Amino acid sequence: DAMVIQNPRYQVTQFGKPVTLSCSQTLNHNVMYWYQQKSSQAPKLLFHYYDKDFNNEADTPDNFQSRRPNTSFCFLDIRSPGLGDAAMYLCATSRARGLAGKQETQYFGPGTRLLVL
Amino acid sequence: AQKITQTQPGMFVQEKEAVTLDCTYDTSDPSYGLFWYKQPSSGEMIFLIYQGSYDQQNATEGRYSLNFQKARKSANLVISASQLGDSAMYFCAMIPTGTASKLTFGTGTRLQVTL
Repeated sequence: DAMVIQNPRYQVTQFGKPVTLSCSQTLNHNVMYWYQQKSSQAPKLLFHYYDKDFNNEADTPDNFQSRRPNTSFCFLDIRSPGLGDAAMYLCATSRARGLAGKQETQYFGPGTRLLVL
Repeated sequence: AQKITQTQPGMFVQEKEAVTLDCTYDTSDPSYGLFWYKQPSSGEMIFLIYQGSYDQQNATEGRYSLNFQKARKSANLVISASQLGDSAMYFCAMIPTGTASKLTFGTGTRLQVTL
C-alpha cells in the first residue's frame, strides 16, 4: 500500500543536542509538509516543499531546518532542541498545491513523538 | 484569512448510534476545499472525507458523510453506526483552491464512543 512513513516513532534527545526526524513516501506526491503538534492542539505547519522548492512559514523558528534530497524523502532537523520543542511531529504529502480541490488532500504519516530531556 | 470553528470540544455517543460533529468556517475565497481528519490516541492523522465548495452533492465515504450547507458555511461530519474504534479526535480543515494557502484546522472535537 502506498503510504507515508516516519521514523522513528519515538525520539528522545537531550537539551541542545541536534536531532533529525525522517519521512518517506511511496505516493509519489509532489508536496511534502512538516507539522508540529502539541498536546490538545491542532497541527501547526512549519514548512513544506513543492518538489525542490522550500517554503518556510514566517513564524517557524530558525532552529528548525528541512531537507528534501529526492521526491521520496524529507528530513526535519532541529539544531538545538529546547524543552518547548517536545511535541508530535507530523509529515504529510499531497499530490498538488494551489490547484484544484481533492488533489490538495494531505496524507499524514504516523508521526514522531519527540521528548527533550 | 480562513477560520474554522468547532464548537464541541467533546462528544459522547453510544455504539451503533449516529453522531454529528459540527464545523463552521469563514472565508472570503469563492472556491475552497473542506476536509475532515481523524486522530486516534496513537497520533496519526487519518484523512476521512473531502468536500469541494462547488460540489453539487454532499460527500460520502462509507460510514462518513459530510452535511455541507454552503450558505450557512457549515460542513458537519456525520458518522453513522458508531463503533468503539471511532473514539478519537476529529479535525475539520479547509484550504482555498487556486492559491498557495495553507491548510487551516479547527480546534478539534474529541469523540468518545460508549457501549
